Amino acid sequence: DADVTQTPRNRITKTGKRIMLECSQTKGHDRMYWYRQDPGLGLRLIYYSFDVKDINKGEISDGYSVSRQAQAKFSLSLESAIPNQTALYFCATSDRGLIQTQYFGPGTRLLVL
Amino acid sequence: AQSVAQPEDQVNVAEGNPLTVKCTYSVSGNPYLFWYVQYPNRGLQFLLKYITGDNLVKGSYGFEAEFNKSQTSFHLKKPSALVSDSALYFCAVRDSGGGADGLTFGKGTHLIIQP
Repeated sequence: DADVTQTPRNRITKTGKRIMLECSQTKGHDRMYWYRQDPGLGLRLIYYSFDVKDINKGEISDGYSVSRQAQAKFSLSLESAIPNQTALYFCATSDRGLIQTQYFGPGTRLLVL
Repeated sequence: AQSVAQPEDQVNVAEGNPLTVKCTYSVSGNPYLFWYVQYPNRGLQFLLKYITGDNLVKGSYGFEAEFNKSQTSFHLKKPSALVSDSALYFCAVRDSGGGADGLTFGKGTHLIIQP
């Protein structure tokens, strides 16, 4: 969905390096999410934010941190990357309504050597 | 807790034949159910959702899904498959009663349509 953008699209880094993945959206949604996708495991929720001042841990938050700089921006950081964080990372957004259909960005493919 | 199962890692269908991708779910309350499709090197695209009402939900690209409360299933269907339907399909659930955050996804099913 072009309304949700992620940068970078691909990244190779080394063990121990700090890396930040960025997500921006123009959908005007309050809620933003970070997921990681691993083959055979589907998508797992890392962190989510219901507004700028509300950040919550998801299923697999260890080793990650996030920052909600504005309603439209939600960044995911790996403070000290490790090889098992190699994955495809997706940002998603939803409104605050009852249903909260989520809309996804194109993903960031991260390789940690 | 909420969960989703997609029992088939891969489904193979000949072009022009009907297709079904299976999904079963578990929630404590009433479910909101979603199907997403992921094409190679792309993000997830929303296909359709079930909230309430008619058990047969129609979505994008000619897909539909049937909600069955007694079987706790939400199978994705299409009457006539196209080669371009080949992709990775995810079923997802959220408990309408809240208390759970974000969507819970199945592990995905690779749909391969053979010419």
